[in-house]
Amino acid sequence: DGGITQSPKYLFRKEGQNVTLSCEQNLNHDAMYWYRQDPGQGLRLIYYSQIVNDFQKGDIAEGYSVSREKKESFPLTVTSAQKNPTAFYLCASSYGSLDTQYFGPGTRLTVL
Amino acid sequence: AQKVTQAQTEISVVEKEDVTLDCVYETRDTTYYLFWYKQPPSGELVFLIRRNSFDEQNEISGRYSWNFQKSTSSFNFTITASQVVDSAVYFCALSEYYNQGGKLIFGQGTELSVKP
Repeated sequence: DGGITQSPKYLFRKEGQNVTLSCEQNLNHDAMYWYRQDPGQGLRLIYYSQIVNDFQKGDIAEGYSVSREKKESFPLTVTSAQKNPTAFYLCASSYGSLDTQYFGPGTRLTVL
Repeated sequence: AQKVTQAQTEISVVEKEDVTLDCVYETRDTTYYLFWYKQPPSGELVFLIRRNSFDEQNEISGRYSWNFQKSTSSFNFTITASQVVDSAVYFCALSEYYNQGGKLIFGQGTELSVKP
């Protein structure tokens, strides 16, 4: 079955640690996105990539980093510089930047 | 500036009632796309519909219907004969043709609770 997978589903981090969230898709989509969702709020764009080896900052990129070495994969690293990382993180992908985005199941990150 | 407003934070209805979720958007672009997504308790966003700015035809899909009116910058979503399985948070979103690689601008979401 084609789709988007994210792992882990739940992640706990101690303050000062970097953690990496995985996002993989087998839909042959060129574009991939990372969004953050806080309780009771809509989603906000962290980073996006329209093609392999290229990515751009979104609205709230500070404290995050990404890579896009393969078309299928777009991992997100939450660094210790991110001051309030506890949130629900959703990965999405689309054929092109103007096409419909489809979302993965999300990763819930909690900082202890 | 671009913005999406969903004024209804929470709606509670009894099964079989009809319910309309409101969405108002702001954009300076003449070419844009509007979306509705459903977020059940599991958390994954499920795509429901996409509309482009040049197509104001209303759409019906089963119990779901959408009313797009450019004159009032609204893209409202109606569920007819609601069911308990419709309980979820619903998001309206906007994407602009010239903006940041297709970034979706989301409203705050409307939490719909359908009681048996």
